[in-house]
Amino acid sequence: ETGVTQSPTHLIKTRGQQVTLRCSSQSGHNTVSWYQQALGQGPQFIFQYYREEENGRGNFPPRFSGLQFPNYSSELNVNALELDDSALYLCASSSLGASSYNEQFFGPGTRLTVL
Amino acid sequence: AQSVTQLGSHVSVSEGALVLLRCNYSSSVPPYLFWYVQYPNQGLQLLLKYTSAATLVKGINGFEAEFKKSETSFHLTKPSAHMSDAAEYFCAVSVGFGNEKLTFGTGTRLTIIP
Repeated sequence: ETGVTQSPTHLIKTRGQQVTLRCSSQSGHNTVSWYQQALGQGPQFIFQYYREEENGRGNFPPRFSGLQFPNYSSELNVNALELDDSALYLCASSSLGASSYNEQFFGPGTRLTVL
Repeated sequence: AQSVTQLGSHVSVSEGALVLLRCNYSSSVPPYLFWYVQYPNQGLQLLLKYTSAATLVKGINGFEAEFKKSETSFHLTKPSAHMSDAAEYFCAVSVGFGNEKLTFGTGTRLTIIP
């Protein structure tokens, strides 16, 4: 069973640029959630995708957007990067609907630095 | 809305001593509660979870936590600390039932003193 993978592992961008982060969900999972973890903080929920549709969103501006593909992998896109977007971005996959609660399995994260 | 508060951003214990990391939650509906561990430059690993079954939950690596509704707490304990336990620990809450958004605390950094 393949776990959750994310790419790239590290990324450096400049303010105003756009970035795309990728996540491959665990085999058999249909849901991907994205979290932002700023340095010294706990992860914050960005949004969740279930069967290619957004299924909940946290308190993040519209320049944070996402996609989920038919194979349930996902992308996180951030436009007009700001210095405060520097963080570890975590992807988690789960199997929504299998039971009353479905564990989220986290990937290793992508470290984004905005200069 | 739900939230968690982790008391103590840094905790230091001697090797072999009791580990106690505190977490209090707030939720308008019965919560699901979790403890995750994060090692440097890595993602999150689930230690244990409470999903409305037994109130005393046992997890991996000898950790356990007790759900106390009257105290709105879910503290993490381990009887004897090991050097390998040094990491960042996060408490999280969710309401489940199709809304699996995790709300995390700010974390507690655990240091083990040899």
